[in-house]
Amino acid sequence: DGGITQSPKYLFRKEGQNVTLSCEQNLNHDAMYWYRQDPGQGLRLIYYSQIVNDFQKGDIAEGYSVSREKKESFPLTVTSAQKNPTAFYLCASSKTSGVTGELFFGEGSRLTVL
Amino acid sequence: DAKTTQPNSMESNEEEPVHLPCNHSTISGTDYIHWYRQLPSQGPEYVIHGLTSNVNNRMASLAIAEDRKSSTLILHRATLRDAAVYYCILRDRESSYGKLTFGQGTILTVHP
Repeated sequence: DGGITQSPKYLFRKEGQNVTLSCEQNLNHDAMYWYRQDPGQGLRLIYYSQIVNDFQKGDIAEGYSVSREKKESFPLTVTSAQKNPTAFYLCASSKTSGVTGELFFGEGSRLTVL
Repeated sequence: DAKTTQPNSMESNEEEPVHLPCNHSTISGTDYIHWYRQLPSQGPEYVIHGLTSNVNNRMASLAIAEDRKSSTLILHRATLRDAAVYYCILRDRESSYGKLTFGQGTILTVHP
């Protein structure tokens, strides 16, 4: 079945360590996104990519990095510069980046910094 | 960005209709109204969207006020699986990317 796969589902990290979250889609979508969700809050956009080898900062990009070397993959690295990395991270994709394009979300990765 | 206002929570009984309101008094002529819902510990799921006319799909109906300053998501017969957080979101047609600005949404509780 087509969809978005995020891994790992749960991740624990010590302070000062970088960690990379995986996001893979087999929907042949051009656009991909990373969102962060804190408890009881809505989603905030970290990074987005409209096409391979191109990506843009969202509202809260500081302390994060991404790459888009393949159409189906958009990994997110949470660096040690991110001051409060404990959160629920959601990856999404859409066929186009247009305003009516439905976003499909993965099941999320929950990161806890110890 | 234009903002939306939703009630923090609503309750319904199973098999009854649910009307989830959303106010967006500063909506611009190029804003589309989107609804997503999020079940516990899952990613959001698209529900429906519209611009000016009322819209129906297999999941729900969207009723848009004539002045577009408010809208209502209608679940015709609520089931226990409809218990989720419902987000009303405005997407600007002028935006070149799929930025969705999520507020806190409405927590819908469905009683058996």
